[in-house]
Amino acid sequence: DAKTTQPNSMESNEEEPVHLPCNHSTISGTDYIHWYRQLPSQGPEYVIHGLTSNVNNRMASLAIAEDRKSSTLILHRATLRDAAVYYCILREVNNDMRFGAGTRLTVKP
Amino acid sequence: KAGVTQTPRYLIKTRGQQVTLSCSPISGHRSVSWYQQTPGQGLQFLFEYFSETQRNKGNFPGRFSGRQFSNSRSEMNVSTLELGDSALYLCASSPSTSGGYNEQFFGPGTRLTVL
Repeated sequence: DAKTTQPNSMESNEEEPVHLPCNHSTISGTDYIHWYRQLPSQGPEYVIHGLTSNVNNRMASLAIAEDRKSSTLILHRATLRDAAVYYCILREVNNDMRFGAGTRLTVKP
Repeated sequence: KAGVTQTPRYLIKTRGQQVTLSCSPISGHRSVSWYQQTPGQGLQFLFEYFSETQRNKGNFPGRFSGRQFSNSRSEMNVSTLELGDSALYLCASSPSTSGGYNEQFFGPGTRLTVL
């Protein structure tokens, strides 16, 4: 199974941008890169996903390296409500999702 | 649209018993996946059902089983409960099972405690 590597934790100040990195050096050509986040006491929530090109939505932006071996989730202005565990996942063609340990994001006021 | 619902939200059982958890997907979604979340192992994939057929299975013993009904609702069953089965069990639904691009919508989970 293709695997992802993320920092255990990161801190950010409120209203500042946050860049959450993810390494996936064994990614295959058909794997989609998905990001989910899990707020305390809730189920995971979809954030964004992409294949090769950078993607933007109302929640975040996803920057994918040209060789696809790494990606970065960008929260443009962190709020206290963005404090969560962020998971970077490679989604295989057969739809299986394998979660890693994720990055715990702390947002300081 | 209503989100994914799971029942019950909390459950306490004793070792050796069995338990059945229920998941109702978002209307129109045909794929349902189950996950187990524990502090030590994190989020682990259990299995996925699509159109009443199990499509994928994670690395869990045969005590963990599931099924899906014609209305896409799904149940998972754990027999002969062990202390280590204490966990948050999450259900997620998706419109289809093909491709790697579908997002999954998660329910709030069922917190199972085994005493």
